[in-house]
Amino acid sequence: EDQVTQSPEALRLQEGESSSLNCSYTVSGLRGLFWYRQDPGKGPEFLFTLYSAGEEKEKERLKATLTKKESFLHITAPKPEDSATYLCAVRGYYNTDKLIFGTGTRLQVFP
Amino acid sequence: DVKVTQSSRYLVKRTGEKVFLECVQDMDHENMFWYRQDPGLGLRLIYFSYDVKMKEKGDIPEGYSVSREKKERFSLILESASTNQTSMYLCASRYPGTGRNTEAFFGQGTRLTVV
Repeated sequence: EDQVTQSPEALRLQEGESSSLNCSYTVSGLRGLFWYRQDPGKGPEFLFTLYSAGEEKEKERLKATLTKKESFLHITAPKPEDSATYLCAVRGYYNTDKLIFGTGTRLQVFP
Repeated sequence: DVKVTQSSRYLVKRTGEKVFLECVQDMDHENMFWYRQDPGLGLRLIYFSYDVKMKEKGDIPEGYSVSREKKERFSLILESASTNQTSMYLCASRYPGTGRNTEAFFGQGTRLTVV
């Protein structure tokens, strides 16, 4: 069964304190791993897609990496505006129409 | 920029009412989706559509139906609303397939409360 587990559930950082969020996945034939940002009361906002182990993507203070079992979202020198819930999702070979989501990591960055 | 627009941000309905949630996308995407999001459970797929008048059940279709009469519009229908359908509802759309640029884009969400 395809599955996604995100950790930690919640993370509190001081402004400028770099850290990483983890997304562990089990899927039959990865056809994409997706990162989204979700602000309270709003829909998820697309950040990155990763397709194969070793691939990396960057956007401002965020960098996503992928191995065969997990993905990391590295946040470098975060600012309070980076506070949000970060969602990870995978798409597998046998059910390409469906995204399997993790329950997210709630990030709070304090000034 | 891709735009997925849901007709309401907040809705309050009574138990037993028939409820319509509307979603419109402007990117000519073939695939459209309805999810619900609940604390601790993440996003769960209710229904999806891969073309006009075509639909497929997701993981939790019970109590819901959908309609796709035009490519840009996908409606979720709660036939007889119940309190356990109180949730955040999210619409998404994307191009079909598994290649590049097939990521899903979401609307802003509808917070539905059934009383």
